[in-house]
Amino acid sequence: DIQMTQSPSSVSASVGDRVTITCRSSHDIGYWLAWYQQKPGKAPDLLIYAAFRLQTGVPSRFSGSGSGTDFSLTISSLQPEDFATYYCQQAKSYPRTFGQGTKLEIK
Amino acid sequence: EMQLVESGGGLVKLGGSLRLSCAASGLNFRNFSINWVRQAPGKGLEWVSSINSGGTAIYYADSVRGRFTISRDNAKNSVYLQISSLRAEDTAVYYCARHKGAFDIWGQGTVVTVSS
Repeated sequence: DIQMTQSPSSVSASVGDRVTITCRSSHDIGYWLAWYQQKPGKAPDLLIYAAFRLQTGVPSRFSGSGSGTDFSLTISSLQPEDFATYYCQQAKSYPRTFGQGTKLEIK
Repeated sequence: EMQLVESGGGLVKLGGSLRLSCAASGLNFRNFSINWVRQAPGKGLEWVSSINSGGTAIYYADSVRGRFTISRDNAKNSVYLQISSLRAEDTAVYYCARHKGAFDIWGQGTVVTVSS
């Protein structure tokens, strides 16, 4: 199985800050990496797929990068609605696996 | 645009069974893989199972293999997850999600609570 490891597990930041979350896979997954945002009590929303492709309707302040085993999600200027939990997920092989999540909190 | 709606969750005793349903509305349901993902209270996301468009390729997480069965009825635009021999650790919100490169459309979830 491919293990996905996110860091940090939590981060505190302020509106307007730039934040980067990283995700490392235990095997080379090429560009088969997605990022999701989840707010309490809600289903996850897809932000980024294929490592860097922005899902339709997602603000351009979100961006993804990386390939192989190392990936990152960057929010260029935090907005109040961005405070949530973020997950990475590999789509290279089964079983599909998620990172443990990164909780983004208001400082 | 496709929408997914789960149903069938509830309170069930240890060792019991439930059948979860995922109903799709919108075009081209039969063209896509549908997956189940669950989230235990206060925990992260866990992929559970996947079924391809024709129902010919099925995958399970090790944690549920042999106890859960996924199926689909394209004529009814529905996917099902039969969950059996339930354990306390199966307590979770169960989401169905379309896979189109990634999980791009999710349902609102259905809650399964396993009690002793």
